[in-house]
Amino acid sequence: EVQLVESGGALVQPGGSLRLSCEASGFTFSSYSMHWVRQAPGKGLEWVSYTSSSASSKLYADPVKGRFTISRDNAKNSLFLEMKSLRDGDTAMYYCARDRRSSSGWSVSYDAFDMWGQGTMVTVSS
Amino acid sequence: DIVMTQSPDSLAVSLGERATINCRSSQSVLYRPDNKNYLAWYQQRPGQPPKLLIYWASTRESGVPDRFRGSGSGTDFTLIISSLQAEDVAVYYCQQYHTTSWTFGQGTRVEIK
Repeated sequence: EVQLVESGGALVQPGGSLRLSCEASGFTFSSYSMHWVRQAPGKGLEWVSYTSSSASSKLYADPVKGRFTISRDNAKNSLFLEMKSLRDGDTAMYYCARDRRSSSGWSVSYDAFDMWGQGTMVTVSS
Repeated sequence: DIVMTQSPDSLAVSLGERATINCRSSQSVLYRPDNKNYLAWYQQRPGQPPKLLIYWASTRESGVPDRFRGSGSGTDFTLIISSLQAEDVAVYYCQQYHTTSWTFGQGTRVEIK
């Protein structure tokens, strides 16, 4: 079955750290660029971070730049988001999402997101 | 960043009737070299992750019913649900992928009247 499964969400204090994981199955993970997208409770969707299929290109939304780090392990079909200096405003459901088309990985791809995980909840609160 | 603005924020439509959602981008998402609009539509049912409905502004994703139709070009886009079904109750988002900010509209909630 083609799917993405996130894990690692938790309740964490402001200033704390967390590492999210996204395990892919059913497709050639190493051929696809991947994203993290978050959704605060009752709010809309916000793109967080991008990695190309080879991890040669990585991008971040301004609110998380310098605090979050995206990475991937293509041998283990896994995507990660390392989150540091967490703030109240980071409270959200975090989804991993896949680009619709496979790509070479050597440049940024521009595509819609055709597969999403169920999400993992991150709550930042004292 | 490109700002995506949807209208209305919510709408209530009777079963079998048409629902129309608009999306406007703060700058064109038409990429001249390939003449494609880098605009997608997603459906998010309650408690579920988003689901891709439409890409390139008007191409339906595989398996999406043909009552969903996307149109528009440049900065103005529309998603039409031609005959609303009960399972279409959801929040709908437009998204631009023309720039590396992949911004979403604020969402439009569709309910049954």
